Amino acid sequence: AQKVTQAQTEISVVEKEDVTLDCVYETRDTTYYLFWYKQPPSGELVFLIRRNSFDEQNEISGRYSWNFQKSTSSFNFTITASQVVDSAVYFCALGTIQGAQKLVFGQGTRLTINP
Amino acid sequence: DAGITQSPRHKVTETGTPVTLRCHQTENHRYMYWYRQDPGHGLRLIHYSYGVKDTDKGEVSDGYSVSRSKTEDFLLTLESATSSQTSVYFCAITPDWNTEAFFGQGTRLTVV
Repeated sequence: AQKVTQAQTEISVVEKEDVTLDCVYETRDTTYYLFWYKQPPSGELVFLIRRNSFDEQNEISGRYSWNFQKSTSSFNFTITASQVVDSAVYFCALGTIQGAQKLVFGQGTRLTINP
Repeated sequence: DAGITQSPRHKVTETGTPVTLRCHQTENHRYMYWYRQDPGHGLRLIHYSYGVKDTDKGEVSDGYSVSRSKTEDFLLTLESATSSQTSVYFCAITPDWNTEAFFGQGTRLTVV
Protein backbone atom coordinates (compact mmCIF):
# COMPACT_ATOMS: atom_id res chain seq x y z
CA ALA A 1 0.00 0.00 0.00
CA GLN A 2 1.08 3.53 -0.69
CA LYS A 3 1.25 5.99 2.16
CA VAL A 4 2.50 9.49 2.85
CA THR A 5 3.10 10.76 6.36
CA GLN A 6 3.51 14.39 7.31
CA ALA A 7 4.10 14.10 11.02
CA GLN A 8 4.02 17.85 11.67
CA THR A 9 0.38 18.87 11.85
CA GLU A 10 1.10 22.51 12.59
CA ILE A 11 4.23 24.65 12.64
CA SER A 12 4.45 28.25 13.76
CA VAL A 13 7.57 30.37 13.29
CA VAL A 14 8.53 34.01 13.27
CA GLU A 15 9.15 35.71 9.98
CA LYS A 16 12.67 35.28 8.53
CA GLU A 17 13.22 31.98 10.31
CA ASP A 18 14.04 28.91 8.24
CA VAL A 19 11.54 26.08 8.45
CA THR A 20 11.57 22.48 7.23
CA LEU A 21 8.46 20.45 6.49
CA ASP A 22 8.93 16.71 6.72
CA CYS A 23 7.48 14.11 4.36
CA VAL A 24 7.97 10.36 4.61
CA TYR A 25 6.47 8.00 2.07
CA GLU A 26 5.92 4.27 1.62
CA THR A 27 5.66 2.46 -1.69
CA ARG A 28 6.69 -0.84 -3.23
CA ASP A 29 6.97 0.69 -6.68
CA THR A 30 10.44 1.27 -8.06
CA THR A 31 9.25 4.12 -10.24
CA TYR A 32 7.14 6.84 -8.69
CA TYR A 33 6.76 10.58 -8.39
CA LEU A 34 6.76 12.91 -5.43
CA PHE A 35 5.06 16.29 -5.26
CA TRP A 36 4.56 19.25 -2.99
CA TYR A 37 1.48 21.43 -3.16
CA LYS A 38 0.64 24.63 -1.32
CA GLN A 39 -2.87 25.51 -0.19
CA PRO A 40 -3.09 29.16 0.88
CA PRO A 41 -6.02 30.45 2.96
CA SER A 42 -7.95 31.14 -0.26
CA GLY A 43 -8.22 27.36 -0.69
CA GLU A 44 -6.76 26.61 -4.09
CA LEU A 45 -4.00 24.03 -4.54
CA VAL A 46 -0.79 25.34 -6.03
CA PHE A 47 1.76 22.98 -7.54
CA LEU A 48 5.30 23.54 -6.24
CA ILE A 49 7.52 20.69 -7.40
CA ARG A 50 7.60 17.23 -8.97
CA ARG A 51 10.42 14.78 -8.49
CA ASN A 52 10.73 11.30 -10.01
CA SER A 53 12.21 8.39 -8.12
CA PHE A 54 15.33 8.23 -10.28
CA ASP A 55 16.34 11.80 -9.64
CA GLU A 56 17.74 12.32 -6.15
CA GLN A 57 19.24 15.69 -6.88
CA ASN A 58 18.21 18.33 -4.43
CA GLU A 59 16.46 21.32 -5.93
CA ILE A 60 16.43 24.97 -5.04
CA SER A 61 13.96 27.53 -6.29
CA GLY A 62 14.45 30.91 -4.71
CA ARG A 63 13.77 30.56 -1.00
CA TYR A 64 12.42 27.03 -1.46
CA SER A 65 14.53 23.88 -1.47
CA TRP A 66 13.75 20.18 -1.50
CA ASN A 67 15.79 17.28 -0.15
CA PHE A 68 14.92 13.87 -1.62
CA GLN A 69 16.52 10.84 0.05
CA LYS A 70 15.45 7.41 -1.18
CA SER A 71 17.45 5.70 1.57
CA THR A 72 15.12 7.17 4.19
CA SER A 73 12.02 7.49 1.94
CA SER A 74 11.86 11.18 2.66
CA PHE A 75 11.16 14.26 0.58
CA ASN A 76 11.54 17.27 2.86
CA PHE A 77 10.79 20.87 2.00
CA THR A 78 12.67 23.84 3.43
CA ILE A 79 11.68 27.48 3.27
CA THR A 80 14.55 29.84 3.92
CA ALA A 81 13.93 33.28 5.39
CA SER A 82 10.20 32.65 5.72
CA GLN A 83 7.67 35.35 4.94
CA VAL A 84 4.09 35.91 6.04
CA VAL A 85 2.92 35.02 2.52
CA ASP A 86 4.31 31.53 3.04
CA SER A 87 1.53 30.86 5.55
CA ALA A 88 -0.49 27.99 4.12
CA VAL A 89 -1.17 24.29 4.37
CA TYR A 90 1.46 22.28 2.55
CA PHE A 91 0.80 18.82 1.16
CA CYS A 92 3.26 16.18 0.14
CA ALA A 93 1.94 13.61 -2.36
CA LEU A 94 3.08 10.35 -3.91
CA GLY A 95 2.11 9.52 -7.47
CA THR A 96 1.83 6.14 -9.13
CA ILE A 97 2.42 5.41 -12.79
CA GLN A 98 -0.30 2.80 -13.12
CA GLY A 99 -2.23 4.24 -16.00
CA ALA A 100 -2.85 7.63 -14.47
CA GLN A 101 -1.24 10.08 -12.09
CA LYS A 102 -3.18 8.94 -9.03
CA LEU A 103 -1.97 10.88 -6.02
CA VAL A 104 -1.79 9.75 -2.42
CA PHE A 105 -1.57 12.79 -0.17
CA GLY A 106 -0.20 13.29 3.28
CA GLN A 107 -2.41 14.89 5.91
CA GLY A 108 -0.85 18.28 5.35
CA THR A 109 1.17 20.64 7.53
CA ARG A 110 -0.32 24.00 8.47
CA LEU A 111 2.47 26.56 8.46
CA THR A 112 1.94 29.89 10.13
CA ILE A 113 4.49 32.64 9.72
CA ASN A 114 4.12 35.35 12.35
CA PRO A 115 5.31 38.89 11.69
CA ASP B 1 -3.38 29.11 -14.54
CA ALA B 2 -4.79 25.87 -15.87
CA GLY B 3 -8.27 26.34 -17.32
CA ILE B 4 -10.34 24.34 -14.87
CA THR B 5 -13.76 25.43 -13.68
CA GLN B 6 -15.77 23.68 -11.02
CA SER B 7 -19.46 24.29 -10.51
CA PRO B 8 -21.13 24.96 -8.25
CA ARG B 9 -18.54 26.43 -5.88
CA HIS B 10 -20.78 26.01 -2.87
CA LYS B 11 -23.80 23.79 -2.31
CA VAL B 12 -25.98 22.81 0.61
CA THR B 13 -28.20 19.83 0.08
CA GLU B 14 -30.38 17.50 2.13
CA THR B 15 -29.60 13.93 3.02
CA GLY B 16 -30.92 11.52 0.43
CA THR B 17 -30.98 13.92 -2.50
CA PRO B 18 -28.88 13.42 -5.64
CA VAL B 19 -26.11 15.92 -6.31
CA THR B 20 -23.95 16.43 -9.39
CA LEU B 21 -20.72 18.40 -9.41
CA ARG B 22 -19.21 19.52 -12.68
CA CYS B 23 -15.60 19.95 -13.73
CA HIS B 24 -14.91 21.72 -16.99
CA GLN B 25 -11.45 22.10 -18.56
CA THR B 26 -10.24 24.10 -21.51
CA GLU B 27 -6.79 22.46 -21.70
CA ASN B 28 -7.82 19.37 -23.71
CA HIS B 29 -6.04 17.18 -21.16
CA ARG B 30 -6.64 13.45 -21.33
CA TYR B 31 -6.78 12.71 -17.59
CA MET B 32 -9.26 14.09 -15.10
CA TYR B 33 -9.67 13.31 -11.41
CA TRP B 34 -12.02 13.94 -8.50
CA TYR B 35 -10.60 14.23 -4.98
CA ARG B 36 -12.22 15.03 -1.67
CA GLN B 37 -10.49 16.95 1.11
CA ASP B 38 -11.30 16.29 4.75
CA PRO B 39 -9.50 17.42 7.91
CA GLY B 40 -6.84 14.94 8.96
CA HIS B 41 -6.98 13.06 5.65
CA GLY B 42 -5.44 15.39 3.14
CA LEU B 43 -6.95 14.73 -0.28
CA ARG B 44 -8.23 11.34 -1.34
CA LEU B 45 -8.96 10.13 -4.85
CA ILE B 46 -12.61 9.32 -5.59
CA HIS B 47 -12.63 8.51 -9.31
CA TYR B 48 -10.56 9.33 -12.32
CA SER B 49 -10.87 9.30 -16.09
CA TYR B 50 -8.26 8.42 -18.70
CA GLY B 51 -10.37 9.36 -21.70
CA VAL B 52 -13.91 9.92 -22.91
CA LYS B 53 -16.12 7.24 -21.38
CA ASP B 54 -13.08 5.67 -19.67
CA THR B 55 -13.24 5.93 -15.91
CA ASP B 56 -12.04 4.00 -12.89
CA LYS B 57 -12.40 3.97 -9.13
CA GLY B 58 -10.10 5.58 -6.65
CA GLU B 59 -9.54 5.04 -2.96
CA VAL B 60 -12.92 6.33 -1.71
CA SER B 61 -15.39 5.63 -4.53
CA ASP B 62 -18.31 4.18 -2.54
CA GLY B 63 -21.42 6.34 -2.93
CA TYR B 64 -20.07 8.19 -5.96
CA SER B 65 -20.36 7.74 -9.69
CA VAL B 66 -18.77 9.66 -12.55
CA SER B 67 -19.29 10.26 -16.22
CA ARG B 68 -17.23 11.74 -19.01
CA SER B 69 -19.03 12.12 -22.30
CA LYS B 70 -16.75 14.88 -23.60
CA THR B 71 -13.04 15.52 -23.15
CA GLU B 72 -13.71 18.79 -21.38
CA ASP B 73 -16.32 17.69 -18.83
CA PHE B 74 -16.08 15.28 -15.90
CA LEU B 75 -19.15 14.92 -13.71
CA LEU B 76 -19.25 13.58 -10.16
CA THR B 77 -22.61 12.35 -8.89
CA LEU B 78 -23.68 11.53 -5.37
CA GLU B 79 -26.69 9.33 -6.00
CA SER B 80 -28.11 9.81 -2.49
CA ALA B 81 -26.12 12.29 -0.45
CA THR B 82 -25.17 11.44 3.12
CA SER B 83 -23.70 13.61 5.87
CA SER B 84 -20.38 11.75 5.54
CA GLN B 85 -20.07 13.21 2.06
CA THR B 86 -19.87 16.73 3.43
CA SER B 87 -16.46 17.78 2.15
CA VAL B 88 -14.54 19.98 -0.22
CA TYR B 89 -14.30 18.42 -3.66
CA PHE B 90 -11.45 19.15 -6.03
CA CYS B 91 -11.18 18.34 -9.68
CA ALA B 92 -7.72 17.91 -11.21
CA ILE B 93 -6.32 17.42 -14.69
CA THR B 94 -3.09 16.08 -16.17
CA PRO B 95 -2.05 15.94 -19.84
CA ASP B 96 -0.37 12.60 -19.30
CA TRP B 97 0.07 9.93 -16.63
CA ASN B 98 3.50 11.16 -15.50
CA THR B 99 2.91 14.88 -15.11
CA GLU B 100 1.85 17.07 -12.26
CA ALA B 101 -1.82 17.65 -11.59
CA PHE B 102 -3.48 21.05 -11.72
CA PHE B 103 -6.48 21.57 -9.54
CA GLY B 104 -9.72 23.47 -9.81
CA GLN B 105 -10.87 25.93 -7.17
CA GLY B 106 -12.87 23.35 -5.25
CA THR B 107 -16.55 22.86 -4.41
CA ARG B 108 -17.67 23.02 -0.80
CA LEU B 109 -20.56 20.60 -0.34
CA THR B 110 -22.58 20.45 2.84
CA VAL B 111 -25.12 17.67 3.35
CA VAL B 112 -27.62 18.44 6.12
